[in-house]
Amino acid sequence: ETGVTQTPRHLVMGMTNKKSLKCEQHLGHNAMYWYKQSAKKPLELMFVYNFKEQTENNSVPSRFSPECPNSSHLFLHLHTLQPEDSALYLCASSQRSQGGEAFFGQGTRLTVV
Amino acid sequence: GENVEQHPSTLSVQEGDSAVIKCTYSDSASNYFPWYKQELGKGPQLIIDIRSNVGEKKDQRIAVTLNKTAKHFSLHITETQPEDSAVYFCAALREGSQGNLIFGKGTKLSVKP
Repeated sequence: ETGVTQTPRHLVMGMTNKKSLKCEQHLGHNAMYWYKQSAKKPLELMFVYNFKEQTENNSVPSRFSPECPNSSHLFLHLHTLQPEDSALYLCASSQRSQGGEAFFGQGTRLTVV
Repeated sequence: GENVEQHPSTLSVQEGDSAVIKCTYSDSASNYFPWYKQELGKGPQLIIDIRSNVGEKKDQRIAVTLNKTAKHFSLHITETQPEDSAVYFCAALREGSQGNLIFGKGTKLSVKP
């Protein structure tokens, strides 16, 4: 248990569906991240939030929409995804002022059919 | 920006042998180098890290060495056990900047009993 909890653990969705991934951290950190992990790009940074403000969007398609309502919660809203979006989506958090150590959640295994 | 190269991509060793994974980085300003272990079905977990003010750090059977001049760092696992089998990721970061962890592509370590 790392203190970062992701739900659901597994998700199968059709290309026309809308779903959301949830991440919650209990560590009091001020930065949260979404990563995509696939065979092609093992740990690909998608979005970064510092103090609830989005500071990085690494050219992610608009069918992925992040939301950070407070410093403990992070969502990734999904709509009209493609089969190539199937991957493990990992959430992480860190305390920026205390160094670079990042803590990861268990991930959501997403399959788009 | 920072670029991290990791080798080898796969490594197979006999139980009890040592394993070494190497990473190089491009940004000489990077000063924080963590190593993560990812077991099947789980998120990456920090196992050891090193900062640029030291050349070596050890924690029981694992150690990390850093050569700032050559811009490379290595993970050493001694007396390997089957439970060491996992994917290992190195990363680099300039702490105190607005940058984010940059990961290598991972090494799949298999320890054969």
